[in-house]
Amino acid sequence: AQKVTQAQTEISVVEKEDVTLDCVYETRDTTYYLFWYKQPPSGELVFLIRRNSFDEQNEISGRYSWNFQKSTSSFNFTITASQVVDSAVYFCALKNQGGKLIFGQGTELSVKP
Amino acid sequence: DVKVTQSSRYLVKRTGEKVFLECVQDMDHENMFWYRQDPGLGLRLIYFSYDVKMKEKGDIPEGYSVSREKKERFSLILESASTNQTSMYLCASSSSWTSGGLSGKNIQYFGAGTRLSVL
Repeated sequence: AQKVTQAQTEISVVEKEDVTLDCVYETRDTTYYLFWYKQPPSGELVFLIRRNSFDEQNEISGRYSWNFQKSTSSFNFTITASQVVDSAVYFCALKNQGGKLIFGQGTELSVKP
Repeated sequence: DVKVTQSSRYLVKRTGEKVFLECVQDMDHENMFWYRQDPGLGLRLIYFSYDVKMKEKGDIPEGYSVSREKKERFSLILESASTNQTSMYLCASSSSWTSGGLSGKNIQYFGAGTRLSVL
């Protein structure tokens, strides 16, 4: 079975704090892809990152960074020096070669000024 | 930029009505998807289409049908709306996959969603 678990339903931080959003996945496939999407209050899911199962290098993009660890089946997302504009629901997702995108339950991040 | 447009942001319908949700993409994508989003459940796939007039059931197709007469347009149809179909509906599209099936790498781009209330 394939599954994505985002155990944190809601997180609240104060601006400038660092925050990590957890994502744990289950799959028996050796080839798969992991994604993070952001859903701001406007509703549209915005693509943030895609990672394939053969590339465990961590990635940094500005204040965003991602830590992919196959040994623990985790693909965590860290926002450094959070800002109010980071407030959104964040989804982690898994796609294998079969093609369907499997989403986690989402983590609602609230960044207070 | 990829643009996926959903015709309505908010809809209010009565139980038993036939409801059409429309989605249009402007990037000539072969693949289109309909999801529903409910609190605590994430996004769940209703139907998808990988070509004109082609459709495949997703994880929760019951109570829904779809239509894809043109490449850029994918419609979700609720034949007889029920209160348990009150939800946020999201449309997505992605570029073609390699021959033989879906390619895992293709990114799905989403519309802004339609929040449907069935009274």
